[in-house]
Amino acid sequence: GQSLEQPSEVTAVEGAIVQINCTYQTSGFYGLSWYQQHDGGAPTFLSYNGLDGLEETGRFSSFLSRSDSYGYLLLQELQMKDSASYFCASSGDSWGKLQFGAGTQVVVTP
Amino acid sequence: NAGVTQTPKFQVLKTGQSMTLQCAQDMNHEYMSWYRQDPGMGLRLIHYSVGAGITDQGEVPNGYNVSRSTTEDFPLRLLSAAPSQTSVYFCASSLGGGRAYEQYFGPGTRLTVT
Repeated sequence: GQSLEQPSEVTAVEGAIVQINCTYQTSGFYGLSWYQQHDGGAPTFLSYNGLDGLEETGRFSSFLSRSDSYGYLLLQELQMKDSASYFCASSGDSWGKLQFGAGTQVVVTP
Repeated sequence: NAGVTQTPKFQVLKTGQSMTLQCAQDMNHEYMSWYRQDPGMGLRLIHYSVGAGITDQGEVPNGYNVSRSTTEDFPLRLLSAAPSQTSVYFCASSLGGGRAYEQYFGPGTRLTVT
């Protein structure tokens, strides 16, 4: 089986930096994905780490350490529109079988 | 491209009724999946398919059936609706194999079972 743990909520002010951690326990592991979901909307893909290290995509970066079974999503220069839920996800024993964490709600305040 | 489309957007069922949630994609994606999302529980995989004619169970398959006769369509059937199936249902698709981590989601179907 698999489990992915992430904090339930993070609050920060505009312009700040937020780090969302994700620890996982999986029987197999291909990599860690991150998704964003605004209230009432569909999840959208943000980033993927197949190898250890940092991936940067604009204001968002994601990191993976396979030896620590740990990853994080870093949101920089926070904007009000970044208020959303963020999910980590991984494929365990099959590429098509993506499992999601429970999600972290990020609240950005003025 | 329309991407991933789902119908209906909203549905109310009575306990014991059956229905089919429709999902279609026009991106020629190999993989398709169905998830349900309940408050505070993230997305849970119901069934998935790695190609036409091939389906497999996810974490919470009980009470649901799927089939995949074409690459484009992946309907989800509720056999006998129960209040516990009240949820938001998302369909998703992706390229196969090493690109399966990047899934494209439909807008969702909000289902209430009374």
